[in-house]
Amino acid sequence: GAGVSQSPRYKVAKRGQDVALRCDPISGHVSLFWYQQALGQGPEFLTYFQNEAQLDKSGLPSDRFFAERPEGSVSTLKIQRTQQEDSAVYLCASSASGFGYTFGSGTRLTVV
Amino acid sequence: QQQVKQSPQSLIVQKGGISIINCAYENTAFDYFPWYQQFPGKGPALLIAIRPDVSEKKEGRFTISFNKSAKQFSLHIMDSQPGDSATYFCAATSNYQLIWGAGTKLIIKP
Repeated sequence: GAGVSQSPRYKVAKRGQDVALRCDPISGHVSLFWYQQALGQGPEFLTYFQNEAQLDKSGLPSDRFFAERPEGSVSTLKIQRTQQEDSAVYLCASSASGFGYTFGSGTRLTVV
Repeated sequence: QQQVKQSPQSLIVQKGGISIINCAYENTAFDYFPWYQQFPGKGPALLIAIRPDVSEKKEGRFTISFNKSAKQFSLHIMDSQPGDSATYFCAATSNYQLIWGAGTKLIIKP
């Protein structure tokens, strides 16, 4: 497809469950970003990949959060032992270069 | 110093009017200032962006005004239309990491 694809669109997890969120960036885009957007707030940076290398993971809120992009294309954000405060929309964006980010529609995670 | 402050939180404008959203920043290292538009259930989409070496940039009905000395920038939407109703975010960066404002929910009344 032409855009950034994220799946699932919605995820309900029981507290303590592990979840995996998938991002398919635009083909050929070198840079990939994950952001977390709480309800009514602006997105907050989580992590940044350039190809398969995770160059910055400073925004990951705890060691329960883990992201990977093993072949430099698809990326997965994994959250272990989910907590209620993890409820948010998780946005993925990709870029060929510079600041021309294209965002996906996000995955809305609700932890109950 | 990393914050970007955005106002107002919400805005109602009559169709055909001018919508104005303001942002202020502290970090003088920021060198790229984009505005994003977000519809419910969608990711943010880049609307228009500016670098600090210009004071104004216009694309269609959308204009960014930039005041480097005041560390402020604003988005003006001319001839506002109901289809412009969305949440607008300003952002700033000096590298790859966007620092976002809290958003402005804009409603255009027909």
